[in-house]
Amino acid sequence: NAGVMQNPRHLVRRRGQEARLRCSPMKGHSHVYWYRQLPEEGLKFMVYLQKENIIDESGMPKERFSAEFPKEGPSILRIQQVVRGDSAAYFCASSPDGAGANVLTFGAGSRLTVL
Amino acid sequence: QQQVKQSPQSLIVQKGGISIINCAYENTAFDYFPWYQQFPGKGPALLIAIRPDVSEKKEGRFTISFNKSAKQFSLHIMDSQPGDSATYFCAASMRGGFKTIFGAGTRLFVKA
Repeated sequence: NAGVMQNPRHLVRRRGQEARLRCSPMKGHSHVYWYRQLPEEGLKFMVYLQKENIIDESGMPKERFSAEFPKEGPSILRIQQVVRGDSAAYFCASSPDGAGANVLTFGAGSRLTVL
Repeated sequence: QQQVKQSPQSLIVQKGGISIINCAYENTAFDYFPWYQQFPGKGPALLIAIRPDVSEKKEGRFTISFNKSAKQFSLHIMDSQPGDSATYFCAASMRGGFKTIFGAGTRLFVKA
C-alpha cells in the first residue's frame, strides 16, 4: 500500500496562472481532506470530499479555489489565477469508512510557490 | 467553538527531559483527540490518540492526559530524544469523521 500520494511535490506558478494539485487516497479510503499549511503555521482545513461529493467546503475560499473527487481518478484541488498569498504547502489526507473515519493518513504535501 | 488552542508555540528540552504540550478545546461534541508529529518537508503522521472516556493513554514514551471537565488535553514525551525534534499538532474531531481541527503546532527542539 503506497499510502496517500500527492503530486506534484513542488509547483511553481506565476501570478495569474492556474495550479492543479492531485491526491490519490490510500487504497480502501473513501474520505479525502485538503489542508493548507502556511510557513510556521498550523494546518487549516479547506475541504472534505467523498467520491463525487463535496461534504464540507467551509474552509475553502469562495473565489478561485475548487475541489473535486471524481468516481475514477484522484482528488484535484484547483487554484485559479494564483496570487502570492496562495504560496503554501497543501496537504491531502484520507480516511476509511466506519470506526476509523477520523484517523487521517496524510500525504507528503504539494508545495506551491507563486512568483 | 471549532478552535483548538495549543501551547507553547515552541519548546526546547534537554535530552532525557520531559516535553509537555498543552491543548484546550471548546466544542463538547469533539470526541476524538489525536496528536500528529511532523518532520520538516514531510506530512503529519499520527502519533497517539485518545477518546474522552479515558483520562490517560500511554504508548511507549508518549502519554496523553485528558481532562474532560476542563476541556484540556496534553502530550507528555518522556526521556525526550534529539530524534523527537519535530512539530507536534494536537487536533480534535467528532465521531464519524468529518473534518479534523488542528492546533497551531508546537516546534520541539531536543538538545543533545
